[in-house]
Amino acid sequence: DAGITQSPRHKVTETGTPVTLRCHQTENHRYMYWYRQDPGHGLRLIHYSYGVKDTDKGEVSDGYSVSRSKTEDFLLTLESATSSQTSVYFCAISESGDTEAFFGQGTRLTVV
Amino acid sequence: KQEVTQIPAALSVPEGENLVLNCSFTDSAIYNLQWFRQDPGKGLTSLLLIQSSQREQTSGRLNASLDKSSGRSTLYIAASQPGDSATYLCAAGGAADMRFGAGTRLTVKP
Repeated sequence: DAGITQSPRHKVTETGTPVTLRCHQTENHRYMYWYRQDPGHGLRLIHYSYGVKDTDKGEVSDGYSVSRSKTEDFLLTLESATSSQTSVYFCAISESGDTEAFFGQGTRLTVV
Repeated sequence: KQEVTQIPAALSVPEGENLVLNCSFTDSAIYNLQWFRQDPGKGLTSLLLIQSSQREQTSGRLNASLDKSSGRSTLYIAASQPGDSATYLCAAGGAADMRFGAGTRLTVKP
């Protein structure tokens, strides 16, 4: 398995609080991604990074920010969590933007 | 906007049967097509990646084909086993932007 660790694996938080999810990789891949998976919508891209401090928005980026200060870590922050952000969040990595992608085990986030 | 569709949404077959899962996409300008497997409550496991210049890829009992001109990919599973039971997802890859289908939930009965 690709060396991808997501933390925490489960989190319950209250509406309006900030939340940060972490993705850590040991593969030295250049690209890192955050997706969310929801029933009826499938997997959708939130943000991605193509290098240290280089990030871009995905399909559903509103309400989320990201940071990448080191090759191995990609953080996803919900500035002020809302119930619509209750979801399963997946981190993925790839060597380049068009090569095979590998996924982490996911973080189940519940906003109450 | 790329739209990816997978048919059927669910499939139940007896053990040993050969089967085909279908994936269609609306924009043929893709970089690659990737097939994944997802077990309940788990992450995605990459099965096969087909680059846009390729027509098919094989791994063990799995064979995936790609026809960009018709916007279709198929995943062929030979001699299915109960351990193959999972949801299978296809993703059409743009530049750093994969678009996923909703998946086919496969059940292989012993």
